[in-house]
This record gives sequence, structure tokens and C-alpha cells, in this order.
Amino acid sequence: SQQGEEDPQALSIQEGENATMNCSYKTSINNLQWYRQNSGRGLVHLILIRSNEREKHSGRLRVTLDTSKKSSSLLITASRAADTASYFCATGGNNRLAFGKGNQVVVIP
Amino acid sequence: EAGVAQSPRYKIIEKRQSVAFWCNPISGHATLYWYQQILGQGPKLLIQFQNNGVVDDSQLPKDRFSAERLKGVDSTLKIQPAKLEDSAVYLCASSFLGDEDTQYFGPGTRLTVL
Repeated sequence: SQQGEEDPQALSIQEGENATMNCSYKTSINNLQWYRQNSGRGLVHLILIRSNEREKHSGRLRVTLDTSKKSSSLLITASRAADTASYFCATGGNNRLAFGKGNQVVVIP
Repeated sequence: EAGVAQSPRYKIIEKRQSVAFWCNPISGHATLYWYQQILGQGPKLLIQFQNNGVVDDSQLPKDRFSAERLKGVDSTLKIQPAKLEDSAVYLCASSFLGDEDTQYFGPGTRLTVL
């Protein structure tokens, strides 16, 4: 079954704005990861945050993890047209990943 | 470094026909995964191999789906016979043994069943 559930499902923003996506999960995890998927292409790993971490940065990405609420957020700052994609969270544990349904983000130039 | 290779990239078949997908993982990756991604959803794990052994196939519809990784490297996923609801992107991923949280994905095969 799908572990994560992202919210909102679709987001349309202007270039330069920030985009925030949320993910909730139900069971205990070792880590939580975010992936990007461009149309017609495979998944690209963006960032991983471990269960004992609360916040992590990578370039224009910032991910937070709240294990007490079983939720995570992904912030993309200063969005670009090239950020247009679907974004998935995936929870890691027991040597496997469980993916959420994904967020469609459209960045308008 | 070469990534995960998959072929074909696209396949269109009629229901009740058979189809096979091929995956070549990153060199040295002992763990290989097949995922099914239906339009609008996240990937769902179908089967996980460790070398040539199956670790998890609990979500594989075994009445019609089969997969093998005979020599512990390349893998094939077969559907026989295909149903309309099998239309999806089939993603292959691989990882180092013991680092299954870090998976590298191939471009996928988009299957359309008419």
C-alpha cells in the first residue's frame, strides 16, 4: 500500500516563487526521501532525511521532518520553469521504499 | 557511470497478449526492483531481487506477472496475458546491497494495453 500522501496534489506557481509540498505517513520509518519525475522520465532522487533529523538543505531545496506528526515538507525556493515536474515522497525502512501519490508542480515562466 | 537501462521505452499491445520488459542495473548493484506506476499515482513495488533471489514479491500478481534475474544481473518482467488495467509505466531500479534506501531508477517502459 502507498505509505506517503502528498498535499496538495497540484500546484501552479509563477517563476521565482516558492513551492511547498507536504507528505504524511502512517508507520515508523528509517528515513524519508523526495524524488522528482519529469514527464516521460524516470525518478530522480532529490534529498533524504533520516528519522533523527528535523531539517535538511540541498541547494534550493529544504526538507523538514516531524516524526511526532508523521509528516514532512519539501520547499523549493526561487522556483524555475525547469522545476516543473511531479514530486514524490517515499518512506524508507525494512530495506524498501514506499511512495506517495505525488504532487504535480507547474512553474509558469 | 552508466545508469539503469530499460527497454523498450514504449510498448503498445492488445489485451490478452504477452509482453516482456528488460532491465540492466548499475554495475555492482546486487539489489534490483521492479515498480509499477499507474498514471497519477506513485510507484508500487512489484518485486525485489537480491542477486538472483527474490526478496519480496508480495505485490506481484503472480497469475499473470513473472520476473526473473537468472544470473544476478539483468532482469526481465513478463506479463501474460495482459489486461487493460496493466497500462502503466514499469520502472526498474537498483541499489547496492545493504543500501536499499538509495535506489537508482531507470527511465521506465510505458505500456499501453488496448
